[in-house]
Amino acid sequence: RKEVEQDPGPFNVPEGATVAFNCTYSNSASQSFFWYRQDCRKEPKLLMSVYSSGNEDGRFTAQLNRASQYISLLIRDSKLSDSATYLCVVKGGSYIPTFGRGTSLIVHP
Amino acid sequence: EPEVTQTPSHQVTQMGQEVILRCVPISNHLYFYWYRQILGQKVEFLVSFYNNEISEKSEIFDDQFSVERPDGSNFTLKIRSTKLEDSAMYFCASKQGADTQYFGPGTRLTVL
Repeated sequence: RKEVEQDPGPFNVPEGATVAFNCTYSNSASQSFFWYRQDCRKEPKLLMSVYSSGNEDGRFTAQLNRASQYISLLIRDSKLSDSATYLCVVKGGSYIPTFGRGTSLIVHP
Repeated sequence: EPEVTQTPSHQVTQMGQEVILRCVPISNHLYFYWYRQILGQKVEFLVSFYNNEISEKSEIFDDQFSVERPDGSNFTLKIRSTKLEDSAMYFCASKQGADTQYFGPGTRLTVL
C-alpha cells in the first residue's frame, strides 16, 4: 500500500460547485497533516494544516479521520482560480514529510 | 513579502557532470530543505539542514549529493556526477521554527 494515496483526478467542475478530495495514509503513527496547492510547473504552497478537530479557512474545510486514516479537503463555491493540483502531505515523528501525487482540479466557466 | 529564491531557473548538463543548485532562503529562517519532483510524479524529500548540519535525509540522498551553507545566505545542493534519472525539478524550502515552510520557485535540471 502506498504511504499517501490520492485520487489523481482530474476533477472537472463548473464554477460555483462544491468539490471534495480525500487522501489516505498508511502510517498510523503520522502526526501532522497538510494540504498544499501546486500550480503547473510551480512550487507547492501551503493551503492549510489539518487539525484533529477539523478546520476551516474561508471556502476551504479540512478534516482528519484518524480511525480510518484519511484526510479530506472540501472546496465550496469553486472559482476558476482554484484550478490546480492539491497535494496531501503527511508527517510522522521524524521531520520527513511524505507527499501524495496530488489531485488535479479543473474549474470551468 | 520575503521569499525563497533559487538559481538558475533551468540547468542543462551532460551526464557525469557536476551541478550546483543554489538557494537563498528567507533571511531569518533557520531550517533548510531540498526536495525534488520528477515530471509527473510526486514531490520527494531529499534532505533537511539545521545548525550547519544535515538533520534528516532520505534514501534518495546518496553519496552523489551534498549540501552546504557556504555563507550566511546561500544554501546549495551539489550533485557530483549527474545521471539521466536526476532530471527533475529541485525545490529549496526554508522555515523559521515550528511553522510554515516556504518553497522557492525551483530549478529545472535536465541531464542529457
